[in-house]
Amino acid sequence: QQQVKQSPQSLIVQKGGISIINCAYENTAFDYFPWYQQFPGKGPALLIAIRPDVSEKKEGRFTISFNKSAKQFSLHIMDSQPGDSATYFCAARYAGNNRKLIWGLGTSLAVNP
Amino acid sequence: NAGVTQTPKFQVLKTGQSMTLQCAQDMNHNSMYWYRQDPGMGLRLIYYSASEGTTDKGEVPNGYNVSRLNKREFSLRLESAAPSQTSVYFCASSEIPQTTNEKLFFGSGTQLSVL
Repeated sequence: QQQVKQSPQSLIVQKGGISIINCAYENTAFDYFPWYQQFPGKGPALLIAIRPDVSEKKEGRFTISFNKSAKQFSLHIMDSQPGDSATYFCAARYAGNNRKLIWGLGTSLAVNP
Repeated sequence: NAGVTQTPKFQVLKTGQSMTLQCAQDMNHNSMYWYRQDPGMGLRLIYYSASEGTTDKGEVPNGYNVSRLNKREFSLRLESAAPSQTSVYFCASSEIPQTTNEKLFFGSGTQLSVL
């Protein structure tokens, strides 16, 4: 059973458009929600992250929106560029000593020029 | 600063062969991880080492063994490779300080094919 459900599986956006990737979770014991970006042939790299006591976090063109009551969080990429074409993974980390990271299945984003 | 270095980058094995994937980090991180990545399956944790001298199973440990050789190095061994172990393997490390957000640093991966 997938504890972190990510959608869509793939996404095509025109240059300059807004890319939106959604994740939903069920377990309320998560305390940290990162997004990782992965380019072909490379390992994932941390893009942006949020804690559940914050509803929104913005870093440049990348924004995480967090809805604690709905147990959902999303990544918005404003003014999407061809260089943003990559696979994006959301994740959620258990609080406490466990600190296990649960991953979504990933979204392949293609930004057309 | 090299970060996390994995070797080899590519490997082809025959069923039943053994091999060891090497990983080293130069960031003085306490924790290290081995993941496998398969199409449509995302990232799945094989084994992790929270600190030097400790190792624990992740989601998919069957068919694998690990060794935390020292604080820098964490190796993954396939004793008898099977086609189901064809995958891209990633090593990662993190500091996990208690008061700040965790950041995983990944290597560039090892693409393994088992025929």
